[in-house]
Amino acid sequence: QSALTQPASVSGSPGQSITISCTGTSSDVGSYNLVSWYQQHPGKAPKLMIYEVSKRPSGVSNRFSGSKSGNTASLTISGLQAEDEADYYCCSYAGSSTIWVFGGGTKLTVL
Amino acid sequence: QITLKESGPTLVKPTQTLTLTCTFSGFSLSTSGVGVGWIRQPPGKALEWLALIYWDDDKRYSPSLKSRLTITKDTSKNQVVLTMTNMDPVDTATYYCAHAPYDHLTLDYWGQGTLVTVSS
Repeated sequence: QSALTQPASVSGSPGQSITISCTGTSSDVGSYNLVSWYQQHPGKAPKLMIYEVSKRPSGVSNRFSGSKSGNTASLTISGLQAEDEADYYCCSYAGSSTIWVFGGGTKLTVL
Repeated sequence: QITLKESGPTLVKPTQTLTLTCTFSGFSLSTSGVGVGWIRQPPGKALEWLALIYWDDDKRYSPSLKSRLTITKDTSKNQVVLTMTNMDPVDTATYYCAHAPYDHLTLDYWGQGTLVTVSS
């Protein structure tokens, strides 16, 4: 069982927007603005899409955005495209001992 | 350009010790603020953070696996080594290493991963 809770799957049609939630606790998501989101295509390594809740690394489309409220972080993908179909994982810093905890992953299907 | 690549055995027997090497380029582990982490992913399952080492040799481990893990660095070779003792079939996974900048506390560049199977 993963430390952070994500929906197992979400889906949307091309052009639509979807949001993936990531629920933690006051010891991780709720305590630090250090939530990251990773995209993983089948057989590939994870790719950083969002860090520090809402920042995008260079080269990541501005269709990807992140936010946080309390113990829940969210990833929103707007203008869905076929290539967005992948697994998405959230990750939160959880203090100097635990360091990072991951979510169980969400499979995004573009209909 | 930051790149990382994992190497090590693809098959280990139960109770054996696994040794994985992460060879990287594009950064130095002697530079302040730089870290390298290890993460694994069992087939069809979620990611799990394992260990982290920083430029100053500060080391952190997953609390659940701490007794079995050791992380070290060889700055001259641009390598980080992870050892995991007493391997079990449940440790079958793809093992990744990643660049971990201290100022952002994230994992921003990942290696391609290496699949390790534990079986007799």
